[in-house]
Amino acid sequence: GAVVSQHPSRVICKSGTSVKIECRSLDFQATTMFWYRQFPKQSLMLMATSNEGSKATYEQGVEKDKFLINHASLTLSTLTVTSAHPEDSSFYICSAWATGGLNYGYTFGSGTRLTVV
Amino acid sequence: AQSVTQLDSQVPVFEEAPVELRCNYSSSVSVYLFWYVQYPNQGLQLLLKYLSGSTLVESINGFEAEFNKSQTSFHLRKPSVHISDTAEYFCAVSDHSYDKVIFGPGTSLSVIP
Repeated sequence: GAVVSQHPSRVICKSGTSVKIECRSLDFQATTMFWYRQFPKQSLMLMATSNEGSKATYEQGVEKDKFLINHASLTLSTLTVTSAHPEDSSFYICSAWATGGLNYGYTFGSGTRLTVV
Repeated sequence: AQSVTQLDSQVPVFEEAPVELRCNYSSSVSVYLFWYVQYPNQGLQLLLKYLSGSTLVESINGFEAEFNKSQTSFHLRKPSVHISDTAEYFCAVSDHSYDKVIFGPGTSLSVIP
């Protein structure tokens, strides 16, 4: 089946630094990837939709300049949290929509726990 | 470690018929349980969740799910489905520390007119 690999699984960074999270589709091409954020005891919040070769579509209220998304290839999307602050600490999860000859639908990464200190 | 199983990858059902989407989980610790829905060409939306308290939880659009600890299940039900319920449904589990959210593989619900 379709597998999405997300790295790192956990990261701790200092306030003011930037952190990059990678989301890779391992055995399929993903023209579309989604980035979510989840706060404790709350639902996943869709942050943005990432389309290969074009600009990401951000949800209302999500700062484009703070959460940079790059989807330069059909197997890799990255989310960079720039100038991170403690309030950015959260659980980030990506997912990919598998298309092509074998349509697996919507596959999730395992998530990244970001802690900004 | 937790895991989630959704035994049915596809569920076709006629309009106005009842439906049950099954979800079973495994975990060595207490968990929170969620059902998410994804409509075509859209992102995930939370449908309902169990955190604590009453084991029967309901959504605003007629779905309900019951947490059964002994059977480690969190099946989703609706007594009468509509065409608009056609979507992908994901069951998810996390432990109380929220270190990781584990999603099931999803169930595609197709409502037939």
